[in-house]
Amino acid sequence: AQKITQTQPGMFVQEKEAVTLDCTYDTSDPSYGLFWYKQPSSGEMIFLIYQGSYDQQNATEGRYSLNFQKARKSANLVISASQLGDSAMYFCAMREVIRKGSGSRLTFGEGTQLTVNP
Amino acid sequence: GAGVSQSPSNKVTEKGKDVELRCDPISGHTALYWYRQSLGQGLEFLIYFQGNSAPDKSGLPSDRFSAERTGGSVSTLTIQRTQQEDSAVYLCASSSGTGGGQPGNTIYFGEGSWLTVV
Repeated sequence: AQKITQTQPGMFVQEKEAVTLDCTYDTSDPSYGLFWYKQPSSGEMIFLIYQGSYDQQNATEGRYSLNFQKARKSANLVISASQLGDSAMYFCAMREVIRKGSGSRLTFGEGTQLTVNP
Repeated sequence: GAGVSQSPSNKVTEKGKDVELRCDPISGHTALYWYRQSLGQGLEFLIYFQGNSAPDKSGLPSDRFSAERTGGSVSTLTIQRTQQEDSAVYLCASSSGTGGGQPGNTIYFGEGSWLTVV
């Protein structure tokens, strides 16, 4: 079963508008972390935002915010005031403990290609 | 260094040859991950190190793949008898901790090593 699901292979948004990229996850571990990364055409993975499973408030980082709905197991990324430079692939990822004392693994979704139109 | 450093950034090799990919994590980071990303695909987990030990080797695709980490720092991913299907970007990442839902244990990626097997 998929641990991380991103249902939008591609998204388009007009410059200066907001866009929401969807992410749902599946885990039985009470302690986990959710990440969003941006991957431009250059290939580097750029960390955007983090949400811990115990965090009471939604994470925000500048124009990025994470709409965390724990009961629904969703962690959607909201980008406000889109810019042309936001065009990239966006990956949602979940970190969960592999087994006690052995660390954790970061599992990625398939990604959403965002295109910002002028 | 300031970030995760990987070398070489690009490698073209002939089928059947061995290659070594190097990762220098952020100073002080105890956890180190290797991922593979084929063209247009998501990230495939390969192996995880906590210190010098690798509690999870389940992602290595075949026995041609091996990895080691020495001194709790630099890691080397070795691919023996390369095949064309090994062509991909190999991404290394590191973090200061391993807790699933622990804040601050953000996982940072290097810029990747682009491997082409001809």
